[in-house]
Amino acid sequence: EVRLAESGGGLVQPGGSLRLSCAASGFTFSSYAMYWIRQAPGKGLEYVSAISSYGGSKYYADSVTGRFTISRDNSKNTLYLQMGSLKREDMAVYYCARSRIVGPTELDHWGQGTLVTVSS
Amino acid sequence: SYELTQPPSVSVSPGQTASITCSGDRLGNKYAFWYQQKPGQSPVLVIYQNTKRPSGIPERFSGSNSGITATLTISGTQAMDEADYYCQAWDSSTMAFGGGTKLTVL
Repeated sequence: EVRLAESGGGLVQPGGSLRLSCAASGFTFSSYAMYWIRQAPGKGLEYVSAISSYGGSKYYADSVTGRFTISRDNSKNTLYLQMGSLKREDMAVYYCARSRIVGPTELDHWGQGTLVTVSS
Repeated sequence: SYELTQPPSVSVSPGQTASITCSGDRLGNKYAFWYQQKPGQSPVLVIYQNTKRPSGIPERFSGSNSGITATLTISGTQAMDEADYYCQAWDSSTMAFGGGTKLTVL
């Protein structure tokens, strides 16, 4: 069974940093591109970042470019999102999701999400 | 950035057909994807590549995409289908989501 489990969310002050993790199991992690998608409270889904299967290509939404860094460790079957210079508008549930490639394909499995709260 | 427009809400009676639209520039030239999200849960893929259903998704879910509009159709809508639905597409190497449509079954 495919399983994606996010962790690392919590309360952080504006301007602070946080690292999210997504532990994958039930599939060959290194064969899939991975994504971070977020959802602000009561709002819709927003693409954040994507990384190719071996980590050689990384992509970011304009809203997080220069502040967030996506990475992965295929030996640990884990995806990461290093978030810096956090703003109140970054407050959201962050989901990791998998896809066959970075491109026009579906996100076929999602994690349960981890909540990031940005507040002083 | 690429914009996808969905109606905020759609209502349907049980057993009837619900149609949820998603509009975007030349959307018919791209693949459209649809996700269902129930309260407190993660999104679930219900339609991919415009018309395909993942395994485990009921046959009453179908999709189409032409021109500037993609449509998710739910035939014989059931109470369990009440949820938020999001369309998604790619443009210029960037993923975009529609704003979501709340489907009410009443």
